[in-house]
Amino acid sequence: EVQLKESGPGLVQPSQTLSLTCTVSGFSLTDYSVHWVRQPPGKGLEWMGVMWSGGSTAYNSALKSRLSISRDTSKSQVFLKMNSLQTEDTAIYYCTRDAATYWGQGVMVTVSS
Amino acid sequence: DIQMTQSPSSLPASLGDRVTITCRASQDIGNYLRWFQQKPGKSPRLMIYGATNLANGVPSRFSGSRSGSDYSLTINSLESEDMAIYYCLQHNEYPFTFGSGTKLEIK
Repeated sequence: EVQLKESGPGLVQPSQTLSLTCTVSGFSLTDYSVHWVRQPPGKGLEWMGVMWSGGSTAYNSALKSRLSISRDTSKSQVFLKMNSLQTEDTAIYYCTRDAATYWGQGVMVTVSS
Repeated sequence: DIQMTQSPSSLPASLGDRVTITCRASQDIGNYLRWFQQKPGKSPRLMIYGATNLANGVPSRFSGSRSGSDYSLTINSLESEDMAIYYCLQHNEYPFTFGSGTKLEIK
């Protein structure tokens, strides 16, 4: 069974760095891509970036200067790091497989002092 | 960036109705178009992929179609469990972009 689960801090202070982990099971990171998508409260979905199966990455140009995606295939984990967080980065952060075929449950991140 | 213009933003409908939601792509995306359903407090669920293909476990009353740069999601014979927000996604070109969402609600 394909599963993805996001984890990370629920609260981040403004200007700090967000670090999230997506732990997957039921498939290999070397066979499938993992994407990050976020959703501010009450708003729509925003594609953030992708870790391709071959290890390359691509990012939303609006976030590219602040965003980094990496992985540890031995642990079946994909990592998201985004710096210089502001209140508008408050959102539910999801990791997904392929172009959002499968989704994690999401993790709510609040940016506040 | 490719813009996905989704309409309507809100769609009141009655049980048993046939409804259609549309996304218009600002550039050619081929059939790299997906539809998602999201219920309150839940992660989105893939409904349609490749513009016209039903995802696993999706009821046959859902269908997807394409006419030029317009992509549509149609639900025949609306059921109460279909009340949700629907989003389209183009995954032909970076950055992938979602439509703004359509809230389907009971009239």
